[in-house]
Amino acid sequence: EAGVTQFPSHSVIEKGQTVTLRCDPISGHDNLYWYRRVMGKEIKFLLHFVKESKQDESGMPNNRFLAERTGGTYSTLKVQPAELEDSGVYFCASSQGPGLGYEQYFGPGTRLTVT
Amino acid sequence: KNQVEQSPQSLIILEGKNCTLQCNYTVSPFSNLRWYKQDTGRGPVSLTIMTFSENTKSNGRYTATLDADTKQSSLHITASQLSDSASYICTGLAGSWGKLQFGAGTQVVVTP
Repeated sequence: EAGVTQFPSHSVIEKGQTVTLRCDPISGHDNLYWYRRVMGKEIKFLLHFVKESKQDESGMPNNRFLAERTGGTYSTLKVQPAELEDSGVYFCASSQGPGLGYEQYFGPGTRLTVT
Repeated sequence: KNQVEQSPQSLIILEGKNCTLQCNYTVSPFSNLRWYKQDTGRGPVSLTIMTFSENTKSNGRYTATLDADTKQSSLHITASQLSDSASYICTGLAGSWGKLQFGAGTQVVVTP
């Protein structure tokens, strides 16, 4: 069974440009999470999808970030326009259930560098 | 202030030796506590999940303990191997919807 995959693995863009990150969860996992780790800090929650619906988006830093999960399968996270402080590693995770007792399986992350 | 604090930040141990990592949490409402191992360039991989009613849980050479009264957890690595070199991250699950609160991690380096 394939794990969580993320694309691209690394992206370098200039300030003001747009970048779209993609996450493919494990097949059959209704719950999908986005997390982010900026340099020197802990990993932080961004948002949680249950199928195609946003269950919790309290961690989204501002309206430059837009997450979608059309059809409840893969998800995209768009940053527009990118700022220097958006640099970091973006992780996606998926699980069968919404939290308690359910394993979250993480992808390898997308390293975003904004110059 | 982070709701999950880990110590030490890093440690170096000799292959074959044991070590213990510490985690203090203030996550509320607390559902469960998880330890993850993160190799360089990879995503975190779960080692243990414990609810507040569990005191200890093992996964091979990894043993986690939880004291819900003092809100402390530890991860003990027995007979370390070179492949144990990684970042070990303590996380608390707040509520029941899967929102994880992460510690900053302890970087473990195992030397021959």
